[in-house]
Amino acid sequence: DTGVSQNPRHKITKRGQNVTFRCDPISEHNRLYWYRQTLGQGPEFLTYFQNEAQLEKSRLLSDRFSAERPKGSFSTLEIQRTEQGDSAMYLCASSLAMRSYEQYFGPGTRLTVT
Amino acid sequence: GIQVEQSPPDLILQEGANSTLRCNFSDSVNNLQWFHQNPWGQLINLFYIPSGTKQNGRLSATTVATERYSLLYISSSQTTDSGVYFCAVSLAGGTSYGKLTFGQGTILTVHP
Repeated sequence: DTGVSQNPRHKITKRGQNVTFRCDPISEHNRLYWYRQTLGQGPEFLTYFQNEAQLEKSRLLSDRFSAERPKGSFSTLEIQRTEQGDSAMYLCASSLAMRSYEQYFGPGTRLTVT
Repeated sequence: GIQVEQSPPDLILQEGANSTLRCNFSDSVNNLQWFHQNPWGQLINLFYIPSGTKQNGRLSATTVATERYSLLYISSSQTTDSGVYFCAVSLAGGTSYGKLTFGQGTILTVHP
């Protein structure tokens, strides 16, 4: 299976700790998106990359959040000094730039901050 | 930003029943997608349908872009159809193309 993969699938951390998530997109996809989904809500856009360039960031992405996509392949999302409000499912999606209407989502990383 | 509203928020059906889910959006869009989120959280693409009608097996969707709504029809529902159905849209042009705005979802429960 060459779909979008995310690691870890689950992460439990204590408030104040830093966490990093990884997303591996479908290999030929040059666009990569991060979304966050809290309980009972739809996913909310966080940021996206075209190749290695970060083209847009949501206001939801506070200065404690940083995302990278070195070499335009996998991406990492880091949250520093985690807060309980950061508890959510973090979803990654990828697409071809010319077919961005076909975003394929990974299984997500569920973060619990205690 | 663009607003996306889905109705109903919850829907309970007996197996074999038909249903219609609705998505209203507040602005002109060039991308509208329907997703199914299974109980494990995986989002599955159902339709890319910025306008017109499409069918895929027991599912079909219609978008009337000029009136800013879309409908998802599920016929002869099965227990495996249970989950959350999301409508998501994006605006045309510039660097925002592809950024999806999701509705709140419709939670569908199909009982055997």
